[in-house]
Amino acid sequence: AQSVTQLGSHVSVSEGALVLLRCNYSSSVPPYLFWYVQYPNQGLQLLLKYTTGATLVKGINGFEAEFKKSETSFHLTKPSAHMSDAAEYFCAVIRNRDDKIIFGKGTRLHILP
Amino acid sequence: KAGVTQTPRYLIKTRGQQVTLSCSPISGHRSVSWYQQTPGQGLQFLFEYFSETQRNKGNFPGRFSGRQFSNSRSEMNVSTLELGDSALYLCASSLDGAGDTQYFGPGTRLTVL
Repeated sequence: AQSVTQLGSHVSVSEGALVLLRCNYSSSVPPYLFWYVQYPNQGLQLLLKYTTGATLVKGINGFEAEFKKSETSFHLTKPSAHMSDAAEYFCAVIRNRDDKIIFGKGTRLHILP
Repeated sequence: KAGVTQTPRYLIKTRGQQVTLSCSPISGHRSVSWYQQTPGQGLQFLFEYFSETQRNKGNFPGRFSGRQFSNSRSEMNVSTLELGDSALYLCASSLDGAGDTQYFGPGTRLTVL
């Protein structure tokens, strides 16, 4: 069975500092991997996704993530945090495009001035 | 083009009642998925409809059901409401399934008293 583990339900970083949100997955087959963001009182929005090919994926708002098969990880990074990045971030996995998606519990990112 | 819309945005019901939530996907999208979001359990997959057929189903009791119409609009129904059904219910649409980019609606906040 697939699963997703996000390390840290809350992460705080200073404005301008590196953002690192951790995601580990388990899947019996090479998965599709996603990061979604949820701003307060809104639905989710796709940040980036990995399906095949290049393991470093660039997304919107300066975020990127690297698929590391040997570590079963898909950590999300951004070099310099902005106040507007404060939100909840969800990592998700799916075995193939027609399968059901499994979300992690989410990590709430706080940006300190 | 118009995004995913969900109606109503807020609902208050009492235990034992039933409720129907509606989701209008982005034009041209054939897949509609439903999720339940709670502080304790996070984001949990309910079911996915594709071309009027349920394609995937999460681990929820039979009180939770859904359907999709020929215009891709979808409804979900919860019968015999329980206090634990209080949650934000999110709908997402995509072209062909969760492997594509999913576009989320703002959600319906259901409170069961």
